[in-house]
Amino acid sequence: QSVLTQPPSASGTPGQRVTISCSGSSSNIGSNTVNWYQQLPGTAPKLLIYSNNQRPSGVPDRFSGSKSGTSASLAISGLQSEDEADYYCAAWDDSLSWVFGGGTKLTVL
Amino acid sequence: QITLKESGPTLVKPTQTLTLTCTFSGFSLSTSGVGVGWIRQPPGKALEWLALIYWNDDKRYSPSLKSRLTITKDTSKNQVVLTMTNMDPVDTATYYCAHTPWYNWNPGWFDPWGQGTLVTVSS
Repeated sequence: QSVLTQPPSASGTPGQRVTISCSGSSSNIGSNTVNWYQQLPGTAPKLLIYSNNQRPSGVPDRFSGSKSGTSASLAISGLQSEDEADYYCAAWDDSLSWVFGGGTKLTVL
Repeated sequence: QITLKESGPTLVKPTQTLTLTCTFSGFSLSTSGVGVGWIRQPPGKALEWLALIYWNDDKRYSPSLKSRLTITKDTSKNQVVLTMTNMDPVDTATYYCAHTPWYNWNPGWFDPWGQGTLVTVSS
């Protein structure tokens, strides 16, 4: 069982906006920043959002992140078929370890 | 351009020790603020962080696996080695290494990742 809680699945139609939540605690999300990773089928994870809301170079601005208290969210606007993937949140925990969410499988209908 | 690649056995027997090597390019582990981490993913399951090592030889381990893991670096070879003892079938997973920066006095993120290597534990 993962330390960070994500919904196992999410879905949307092309062009829609979808959000994926990530819930943690005061020892991880509550006191450290959140990163998001995208894992396309059969590939290695890729950094999507770092430090709560920063996009690495090359990541479209359709992807955005936010954090409030002990929860974080990833929003994808203008949903595209190529966004179909697994999404993971992660945060450093004060126990001196990285913790990940269980992953959310995004389906583009 | 930073690249990383994992190497090691694809099949290990239960109770054996797994040794994985991460060979990287595009950065040096002698540079301040630089680190390499290991993360694994059982088939069809979520990501699980294992260990990381920084330029200053600071090491961190997953609390649940700490007794079984050892991470070391060879700066001259641009390699990081992870060993995991007493392997069990539940350790079957794809093992990834990734570049990780030290950022604002805290661990940063994992970027980029290697392609991963599938390790199967079976007799």
